[in-house]
Amino acid sequence: DTEVTQTPKHLVMGMTNKKSLKCEQHMGHRAMYWYKQKAKKPPELMFVYSYEKLSINESVPSRFSPECPNSSLLNLHLHALQPEDSALYLCASSWDSYSNQPQHFGDGTRLSIL
Amino acid sequence: DAKTTQPTSMDCAEGRAANLPCNHSTISGNEYVYWYRQIHSQGPQYIIHGLKNNETNEMASLIITEDRKSSTLILPHATLRDTAVYYCIVSPLQKTSYDKVIFGPGTSLSVIP
Repeated sequence: DTEVTQTPKHLVMGMTNKKSLKCEQHMGHRAMYWYKQKAKKPPELMFVYSYEKLSINESVPSRFSPECPNSSLLNLHLHALQPEDSALYLCASSWDSYSNQPQHFGDGTRLSIL
Repeated sequence: DAKTTQPTSMDCAEGRAANLPCNHSTISGNEYVYWYRQIHSQGPQYIIHGLKNNETNEMASLIITEDRKSSTLILPHATLRDTAVYYCIVSPLQKTSYDKVIFGPGTSLSVIP
């Protein structure tokens, strides 16, 4: 069991759909992260939120829109995705984004774009 | 780009120690060495981290060379559940808003019965 919960576990959507991925943690962490992982590749950082503010955007296309409503929640809104966006999307959290404390990961949402 | 290099894959017999090497020859004085692993169909799991002293916890031991240019993760008694991809990462002690955790390709460890 992980302390970072991601929903849904699986998502299939068409290229014209709008959907959202959700991530939740109750460890009091103030930094939250989105990663994208393609099959047999390492995770790649997409976004970093620090104290509910976006601090890093790794040049992610605008069809991915992150949102941090409060310190426990992180959403990733999806719109007009492409087939190449099919991947495992991982959420992580850490005490903050500046210290040496490790990141805690959820088990991800496996996204398939038709 | 990742600042570490690791073997692509390794095998280990069940019950034996698994020794996973990592080269980080360009590591800076303020950078920690972190190890994570990813079991199939799960998210990455933190294992251990260290700066220059050897570290041990309930999962593993981390041995860092005196010059800090390489390290070894040791799983003392490997089990089948240790089969996973192991990632070695270096990251600063105090990060700025621009410092990121970058995963390299990692080592795929197969524990064999």
